[in-house]
Amino acid sequence: NAGVTQTPKFRVLKTGQSMTLLCAQDMNHEYMYWYRQDPGMGLRLIHYSVGEGTTAKGEVPDGYNVSRLKKQNFLLGLESAAPSQTSVYFCASSYYLGTVYEQYFGPGTRLTVT
Amino acid sequence: AQKVTQAQTEISVVEKEDVTLDCVYETRDTTYYLFWYKQPPSGELVFLIRRNSFDEQNEISGRYSWNFQKSTSSFNFTITASQVVDSAVYFCALSDPYSSASKIIFGSGTRLSIRP
Repeated sequence: NAGVTQTPKFRVLKTGQSMTLLCAQDMNHEYMYWYRQDPGMGLRLIHYSVGEGTTAKGEVPDGYNVSRLKKQNFLLGLESAAPSQTSVYFCASSYYLGTVYEQYFGPGTRLTVT
Repeated sequence: AQKVTQAQTEISVVEKEDVTLDCVYETRDTTYYLFWYKQPPSGELVFLIRRNSFDEQNEISGRYSWNFQKSTSSFNFTITASQVVDSAVYFCALSDPYSSASKIIFGSGTRLSIRP
């Protein structure tokens, strides 16, 4: 099993450009999440999904959109990148069995917006 | 509101010393889960432990141990006989009780450096 994978691993964008980050998991997890990690701030939830075709906003959703067309994939889009979106982005997935389970994380995507 | 506080921003110890990472949490829920994750220099996040609020027994896994005390809202993590490979950022996390999506709230992390 590959677990949770993310592409790309690194990306540099210019202000105003758009891009999509892809997350894929092969653990048949219902729940998927996108976080951003900034120095000294831990991880902050951007958007999440409780199943195919459903998405919801997290703590810091502004400037991002997501889609979950297939259960195994969760896409994070930046329509018009801003320097404030320079960060490391992590995708995670989790079981749903009626309680809270640990989340499994991808390797991260380091994004720089100039 | 739910909150996780890791007051120790950075800790540095010499190899083979024992070290404890503190985690204090706030929640209004009676049923909740606590977690610890490790982020080594390579950057990935590694799950270490999940603990139910009803289970206050301490847990030991090799050189790692966790002390859960509901009375003080703490879930501290101790590494015994530390090794250089333990150098990482460690995150404590708390389940969001108002979430139906297994959301968890992370602390800001403690950077642990083990000097040879």
